[in-house]
Amino acid sequence: EPEVTQTPSHQVTQMGQEVILRCVPISNHLYFYWYRQILGQKVEFLVSFYNNEISEKSEIFDDQFSVERPDGSNFTLKIRSTKLEDSAMYFCASSENILEKLFFGSGTQLSVL
Amino acid sequence: AQSVTQLGSHVSVSEGALVLLRCNYSSSVPPYLFWYVQYPNQGLQLLLKYTSAATLVKGINGFEAEFKKSETSFHLTKPSAHMSDAAEYFCAVSPGGTSYGKLTFGQGTILTVHP
Repeated sequence: EPEVTQTPSHQVTQMGQEVILRCVPISNHLYFYWYRQILGQKVEFLVSFYNNEISEKSEIFDDQFSVERPDGSNFTLKIRSTKLEDSAMYFCASSENILEKLFFGSGTQLSVL
Repeated sequence: AQSVTQLGSHVSVSEGALVLLRCNYSSSVPPYLFWYVQYPNQGLQLLLKYTSAATLVKGINGFEAEFKKSETSFHLTKPSAHMSDAAEYFCAVSPGGTSYGKLTFGQGTILTVHP
C-alpha cells in the first residue's frame, strides 16, 4: 500500500528557532493535512490544504504556522518561531479526494528546548 | 462543535477473548465516524468508517463497529483478540462535506493482548 512519508522522524530545536517539517504525500492525492499530538493529549487538526491554498485551519494554526507545497511532491509545515508548547508529534496526512480516507504518515516528533 | 470520548485509556484482554473499545461522540450534524489504529512507529491507519449507509460497519482485521444514534456511541469490537491486535486505537468524528478530513479524535485506547 502506498505511504505518506515524513522526515525527519525526530527533530530537536531551540526555542525561537524556525523549523520546517517535511512530508511527501501519496503521489495522486490532492488533499493534504497536518495534525499534531501533544504528549498525553488528543490528536488535533491543524490545517487542510487543497489546490495550493489553505482550505481550513484550526485556532491553533496562528500566524506562527504556515504550509506550502513547494514543488508538487512535498508538503511542508513551517513554524516561524518555535515555543516550548510546540513540542508535539506532528502528523501529515493526504487523501485522493475530499471524501476519501486519509492516509497518515508516521509522524515527526518535535522537541523544543 | 464535535467531540469524542473514549472510555478507558488502557484495555487488556487475553488472546482469543472479545475486544470491546468504547467510543461516544457529540455532533450537531449527522456524523461521519471512524476508528483508526496506530502500531508502534507507524502512522494512523483506517480500520473502518461509518457514513450513514449501514449501522453495523465491518472493517479490516476482523473488527467491526455499530453506530447507535440513541446512545451516541460507536463502539469497536472483535470477537477474538490476536496478539497482533496490540496497538493504540483512536475513534474520530468528522462533520463531512468540505470538512470531511477535519477529524476530531478521542484520546486513544491502548489495547494490550496477553497470552
